[in-house]
Parts: sequence; structure tokens; C-alpha cells
Amino acid sequence: NAGVTQTPKFRVLKTGQSMTLLCAQDMNHEYMYWYRQDPGMGLRLIHYSVGEGTTAKGEVPDGYNVSRLKKQNFLLGLESAAPSQTSVYFCASSYIAGPYSNQPQHFGDGTRLSIL
Amino acid sequence: DQQVKQNSPSLSVQEGRISILNCDYTNSMFDYFLWYKKYPAEGPTFLISISSIKDKNEDGRFTVFLNKSAKHLSLHIVPSQPGDSAVYSCAAIKGGSEKLVFGKGTKLTVNP
Repeated sequence: NAGVTQTPKFRVLKTGQSMTLLCAQDMNHEYMYWYRQDPGMGLRLIHYSVGEGTTAKGEVPDGYNVSRLKKQNFLLGLESAAPSQTSVYFCASSYIAGPYSNQPQHFGDGTRLSIL
Repeated sequence: DQQVKQNSPSLSVQEGRISILNCDYTNSMFDYFLWYKKYPAEGPTFLISISSIKDKNEDGRFTVFLNKSAKHLSLHIVPSQPGDSAVYSCAAIKGGSEKLVFGKGTKLTVNP
């Protein structure tokens, strides 16, 4: 009963390094999302995907890339990490989007990323 | 520009009493609202939701009220329990959109 799994849970990077955050869901959900949460702010959408092979920009996409090669996985990449990208990153998935009471987004437990 | 606002960063109540968490929104196109609960070191979990065609939705100890004219919703927890201590975030979505818009959250502490 894993739900949404994020890897890694913690990571420290140096400015300019690259890395990829992995999100995996086992609920056969179509939609997947990447958010970031910063102190004193609500979750902000970075990128999302409405199905395998698709991606779209969210509210704060700059400095990030994503890929959805398989339905169950959604990857978030930082090509050249910057201190401003220090944050907690959450992945979420949902069966469908939109206002359906029985289809809320399910979240992973987050990846805490620090960039020095 | 914050479209979903939770103006109280924190709230403290006694066990057994009512907790009322508030949320305001500015975008009249939002037609569905959700509350998420988050414990430290965990992801948010869905708690309860309400459609804009309703003014109340109840699920056990949790009730959400929506006042569309005031663009305001509230989450009532009765009775409050120490295990309810968490950060509660309000979120809103427009019909046809994939994007949830979240408030900053309110940290609820229920004291035994």
C-alpha cells in the first residue's frame, strides 16, 4: 500500500550540480504533479502531467525540467541547482483532475533539498 | 497575488472544544474547495472538500462551510483531539483546470 513514493528523502547539493527527484505512484493515476513548499508559503505547482508522455508548466517552472516516460513515474530535474531552489518538494497524483470529491490529489512525503 | 488566503498562521484550542480554521479566496471562478492536513515530515493528506453548489459538507467530526458571497470558507472540528494537531491547508480549483491553488496553512495545536 505504498501510494506515492518520493526518492530521495533528503539531499544536499552544491550550486551548479544537477540531480533528479523521482516520484512513483502505484495507484494507476493519470495525473501527476510536482510542488515546492517554502517557509511561510503555500504549496506552489512547478510542473504537472496529464498522462504518460505529457508535461505542462505550473506556477513556478523556471529552473526545472520534468519527464513522464512511464505512467507510474514522474521525474523532476534540476540541471544547475541554485540556492533559491532550496525547498521541500512534494509529488502528488490523482486519477483525474478537476473538482471531483472522490478524486483528490494524493501526496508523497516530500524531498528536502538544500543547495549550498 | 494570493488567490487563497489563510490569515491565521496558528491556532491553539483545548481538547474537546471546537476548532475553526478560516480561508478566504479572491477568484470567483473557483468552484471546488478542499482541506488538506499535514503532519511534520509527511505529505499533505486530503481531509474534506466542498463544491461551490453547496454551503456545507460534513464528515464525522469535520465540517466545511462555504459562503460564496463572502468568498469565505471555514473548517470546523468538533470535538478537537490532540491528534488533530497539524497544519491545515485550504486549496481551491476552477472547473476544467488541473491546478490546485493552496493557502499558506494554519498550524493547529490541540492541548490536552
